[in-house]
Amino acid sequence: DVKVTQSSRYLVKRTGEKVFLECVQDMDHENMFWYRQDPGLGLRLIYFSYDVKMKEKGDIPEGYSVSREKKERFSLILESASTNQTSMYLCASTQTGGGYEQYFGPGTRLTVT
Amino acid sequence: GQQLNQSPQSMFIQEGEDVSMNCTSSSIFNTWLWYKQDPGEGPVLLIALYKAGELTSNGRLTAQFGITRKDSFLNISASIPSDVGIYFCAGPPNAGGTSYGKLTFGQGTILTVHP
Repeated sequence: DVKVTQSSRYLVKRTGEKVFLECVQDMDHENMFWYRQDPGLGLRLIYFSYDVKMKEKGDIPEGYSVSREKKERFSLILESASTNQTSMYLCASTQTGGGYEQYFGPGTRLTVT
Repeated sequence: GQQLNQSPQSMFIQEGEDVSMNCTSSSIFNTWLWYKQDPGEGPVLLIALYKAGELTSNGRLTAQFGITRKDSFLNISASIPSDVGIYFCAGPPNAGGTSYGKLTFGQGTILTVHP
């Protein structure tokens, strides 16, 4: 069974803290994505990666960075968390040429106080 | 960038009723996907459509790829309580070059089913 796991389901951090969200997939997919989900706004792409050490900005990259040192792992970093980064964060992966189906993790609900 | 607009934003229905929702874009999409997100989980693919005019079913779900390629529809027949969740349409943006499997998502339709 295909699997995308995220390091935490719930996370509470303070303003200004550095936050790491980890995502691991076991499907040997080349492409991995980080989205944030907010009510009424759907899923918005923050960053994606198409290979180890390769990354591209999505639609809302400001305030975020990413790291992909191994094929199966894609990390989202909030350098200095702010309250407007309180959101649900979803990781997904897909195979190039795989018909666009993205496989999602269960999400991390991050609250920044 | 390309945007997808879903309608309605939310629906409250009785168990057994049929449900219709749609997704529209100002630009053409070559593939339409419908995802469902159960409460507390990540989205899961329900149906993928690859050809204009295509009608595809998955159990009680039926989706159609609009003939103009600018819209898609999802119908659920005889709803049950486990149909509760958020339904998203999605499609690959036509940005040229390699897409790497990127998708644009609609805002979602929240479905509530009363027993």
